[in-house]
Amino acid sequence: DTAVSQTPKYLVTQMGNDKSIKCEQNLGHDTMYWYKQDSKKFLKIMFSYNNKELIINETVPNRFSPKSPDKAHLNLHINSLELGDSAVYFCASSPRTSGSRSGANVLTFGAGSRLTVL
Amino acid sequence: AQSVTQPDIHITVSEGASLELRCNYSYGATPYLFWYVQSPGQGLQLLLKYFSGDTLVQGIKGFEAEFKRSQSSFNLRKPSVHWSDAAEYFCAVGVYGGATNKLIFGTGTLLAVQP
Repeated sequence: DTAVSQTPKYLVTQMGNDKSIKCEQNLGHDTMYWYKQDSKKFLKIMFSYNNKELIINETVPNRFSPKSPDKAHLNLHINSLELGDSAVYFCASSPRTSGSRSGANVLTFGAGSRLTVL
Repeated sequence: AQSVTQPDIHITVSEGASLELRCNYSYGATPYLFWYVQSPGQGLQLLLKYFSGDTLVQGIKGFEAEFKRSQSSFNLRKPSVHWSDAAEYFCAVGVYGGATNKLIFGTGTLLAVQP
């Protein structure tokens, strides 16, 4: 069983379209994240959710809307896609976001979803 | 501000040779440090982490890293590289702000292995 699974793995679409990427984790973790990896391989956090509650929103355009129906799922919806949105989007999860530091920051990543906007 | 610097964008080593990938961090408190590896077309896999205690940490696949507070460094090493080690390597620092925990990544080092 894949610990953190993302779908789709590849997504090619036209500018202006709306698309979603889904993420599910079966690790029982409380916290989930979306990271964006640009064409230069730079990884930057976009959002984090803890038990369905938005914790981090790192100055991401409001065309990006994460949704967490339960703590095992964190989906990313993108409206009005632009060329600059082309990237690999990684979902990740970690045990918890507060309290003891020892487990909170060990992230488990999904395999990534490569989005290409034409 | 917290940051991670990986000075080497690209490194090529011969199979069987030793490897050291450099990582420097900037963080006001005691850092939590990580090395992740990304194979082509794959997600990121945790190689090792440093939280506290012994400054030399062992990881998977024969990798180790040494935390040096005086140099703000956390370099990754392997005594003998295998062709399967060719990948992108990312150093990261864990940042805490109450409930807002996250990883800040360096820009990565691409490792190529020559036969």
